[in-house]
Amino acid sequence: GEKVEQHESTLSVREGDSAVINCTYTDTASSYFPWYKQEAGKSLHFVIDIRSNVDRKQSQRLIVLLDKKAKRFSLHITATQPEDSAIYFCAASRSNNRIFFGDGTQLVVKP
Amino acid sequence: EAAVTQSPRNKVTVTGGNVTLSCRQTNSHNYMYWYRQDTGHGLRLIHYSYGAGNLQIGDVPDGYKATRTTQEDFFLLLELASPSQTSLYFCASSAQISNERLFFGHGTKLSVL
Repeated sequence: GEKVEQHESTLSVREGDSAVINCTYTDTASSYFPWYKQEAGKSLHFVIDIRSNVDRKQSQRLIVLLDKKAKRFSLHITATQPEDSAIYFCAASRSNNRIFFGDGTQLVVKP
Repeated sequence: EAAVTQSPRNKVTVTGGNVTLSCRQTNSHNYMYWYRQDTGHGLRLIHYSYGAGNLQIGDVPDGYKATRTTQEDFFLLLELASPSQTSLYFCASSAQISNERLFFGHGTKLSVL
């Protein structure tokens, strides 16, 4: 089955800097790539996704890039703020198949 | 916003105990999931279901049973709890199996002593 890997288990940035979290996947048929955020002591919630028909998507300070040839996708958080501190999970799925999660990246935004 | 409600929020049991975790979603989603979250392992899928009476095996099903009694309700059963099942359990739902976001409950923290 699909295997999704997150390359950074922890990431520390200064407030105002950009943060980049990288993920790779193995199934070339994967076509949907969502990201989830988990704040300390809380549940996960969806933040942004990208589908395989595009290679870039932006929602306010969040940008997702998809490189299908390299089977790599990344989440860019610009102008980071303390409230961006959380665990971020990337995920991937193909049509008619369940989603597969990475192990999560702990992002710490230092003032 | 889809609502997924888990109960209880916290549970303590002893080794060999019988535990049932409950999940209810009120958004008429077809799919429901049970995950466990452990440090160093991320989220691991235990069981999932695409409708009442249906059950699909996830990645770490050993020691767990599940039952989907209605479209809204999905239960996770630990009939002989072990300390290795101490974890944070999340229920989630989605309209479809793929290409749709998941909505997560608040989680149940289970401790098996």
